[in-house]
Amino acid sequence: GIQVEQSPPDLILQEGANSTLRCNFSDSVNNLQWFHQNPWGQLINLFYIPSGTKQNGRLSATTVATERYSLLYISSSQTTDSGVYFCAVVIRDSGYALNFGKGTSLLVTP
Amino acid sequence: DGGITQSPKYLFRKEGQNVTLSCEQNLNHDAMYWYRQDPGQGLRLIYYSQIVNDFQKGDIAEGYSVSREKKESFPLTVTSAQKNPTAFYLCASSPRLRGRGDEQFFGPGTRLTVL
Repeated sequence: GIQVEQSPPDLILQEGANSTLRCNFSDSVNNLQWFHQNPWGQLINLFYIPSGTKQNGRLSATTVATERYSLLYISSSQTTDSGVYFCAVVIRDSGYALNFGKGTSLLVTP
Repeated sequence: DGGITQSPKYLFRKEGQNVTLSCEQNLNHDAMYWYRQDPGQGLRLIYYSQIVNDFQKGDIAEGYSVSREKKESFPLTVTSAQKNPTAFYLCASSPRLRGRGDEQFFGPGTRLTVL
């Protein structure tokens, strides 16, 4: 089945630092989404990005579909950025489920 | 406010009981989904529905049932046949099932614990 691998699994940053999270996937995709899961469990949509580059404030994402990876950039990190970041994909021509990676757990310290 | 609501937030169940989790959306989305999350893991699809009165099994449907009598509502029943039901359950919706408009949005979740 589809493999969605995220790296690194854990990350600790000091406030103000930048970081890059990576998502590799093993098949062609129709949909790729990045989420932030906060400490209460709520999944917050960050980007819908099956290809190309998008930016939203301090966050940006790039998906290179032909090479089967996506990157999430967090700049000038804040303590409120802490939580788990998930990448999820819908495989082309293979159903409708979002297939999730195991996530990157980010802790931003003051 | 437009959004997805789930209730209850926390649910405790005795072994052998069926319980029903509520999911309502007022986004006028056609497609709705139920996922399950276990500790330290990503989400797995239980059921999805594209239109009223139609739904399909996902990867882990055994021990669960759903209905879609109204566009805005997609309740999930966890039956006594589900062997390990303790988990965090998330409902999602998307404007469409596939193609442009298939971005999924999630509700706040229900934590189910079997005693």
